[in-house]
Amino acid sequence: DQQVKQNSPSLSVQEGRISILNCDYTNSMFDYFLWYKKYPAEGPTFLISISSIKDKNEDGRFTVFLNKSAKHLSLHIVPSQPGDSAVYFCAAVFSGSARQLTFGSGTQLTVLP
Amino acid sequence: DTAVSQTPKYLVTQMGNDKSIKCEQNLGHDTMYWYKQDSKKFLKIMFSYNNKELIINETVPNRFSPKSPDKAHLNLHINSLELGDSAVYFCASSHTSGRALTGEQYFGPGTRLTVT
Repeated sequence: DQQVKQNSPSLSVQEGRISILNCDYTNSMFDYFLWYKKYPAEGPTFLISISSIKDKNEDGRFTVFLNKSAKHLSLHIVPSQPGDSAVYFCAAVFSGSARQLTFGSGTQLTVLP
Repeated sequence: DTAVSQTPKYLVTQMGNDKSIKCEQNLGHDTMYWYKQDSKKFLKIMFSYNNKELIINETVPNRFSPKSPDKAHLNLHINSLELGDSAVYFCASSHTSGRALTGEQYFGPGTRLTVT
């Protein structure tokens, strides 16, 4: 039972354009969402997060949008750079879960020069 | 300086063997985790320790046993290895206050376990 879903296993965009990565969740008890970035042979690294009481959080080129009614969040990267090429994982947590992260299956982003 | 380190990075072993993976963090965090990334690339929590106390123990075979000698270390022992144990295992750590309550965890580089 996948509570966090990333339905696009891969995404290719041109350098300088916008990358949009999507994530859906089913558990309405999640109250915090995170995006992690992972390069090959490395562990995931935290990228950006958003609380369920907000609908947008921005950090430089990265913006996360949350639509609670649709149980959907997205990560926007503008402008995309070749160094952004990595696997992006969406994750969710609810405060009663002892900080247990539930991950999606990841989306491989390739930014073409 | 590596914040969360794991050894070994690669581990190839035969079915039935017993092996251990070590994890150390130098971030001063008091909570540590073990995740398994399976062939479908999902990262799934296995165990979590807070101040050397087990707080999350997902449904994993009891062949897997975490050991936390102190707050900076969380080792994973696996007995009687099976083919299905082949995966990448990630260690992670976090604080139990502030942003860590919302899930920000720091991951090690992973250990690729191959059981033949």
